[in-house]
Amino acid sequence: DSGVTQTPKHLITATGQRVTLRCSPRSGDLSVYWYQQSLDQGLQFLIQYYNGEERAKGNILERFSAQQFPDLHSELNLSSLELGDSALYFCASSVGAGLNYGYTFGSGTRLTVV
Amino acid sequence: GESVGLHLPTLSVQEGDNSIINCAYSNSASDYFIWYKQESGKGPQFIIDIRSNMDKRQGQRVTVLLNKTVKHLSLQIAATQPGDSAVYFCAEIDSWGKLQFGAGTQVVVTP
Repeated sequence: DSGVTQTPKHLITATGQRVTLRCSPRSGDLSVYWYQQSLDQGLQFLIQYYNGEERAKGNILERFSAQQFPDLHSELNLSSLELGDSALYFCASSVGAGLNYGYTFGSGTRLTVV
Repeated sequence: GESVGLHLPTLSVQEGDNSIINCAYSNSASDYFIWYKQESGKGPQFIIDIRSNMDKRQGQRVTVLLNKTVKHLSLQIAATQPGDSAVYFCAEIDSWGKLQFGAGTQVVVTP
């Protein structure tokens, strides 16, 4: 167990629907990062939050949004889902907002859009 | 844009042999690199890191080499074991801690 908890582990939904993925960071970690892993794109950075504030954005679609709550857990919202959104979504956490040795990934949520 | 990439998509290695996984990066300003191992159904797991002021760093059965002249990283795994079968990624980390991953190399350990 890495200490980073992601729920649900698996999610199957239809095109056009909206889903929410949840991440609880490792105890003491203030930064949360979201990554998407698909077969044709590899691991792609989506977005980073630090202590409730957005810090960096990557290749995140406008249909996707995220937030980090006061208790530091984070949610990634995916809307108007398309078949191409099927992927593994990983959350990672670290103590700080910058270079940090303690960068830990969760086990991911596998999203299948049918 | 800047990218980090791997040379070999699949590496087959016999149990007990040494494995070498290669990675090229294009951003000469990068100063921190990490190797991750990802097993099926799991998230990436930290293996070893190296900063640009170093040429070599050793861990338990793993060694990372950095050649800044040709912008090349390698991960060496000594005495490869069945449990080493996984996908290995090199990644560049920026000042905010955001990782840019390479495409990954699948390592298959054969008996």
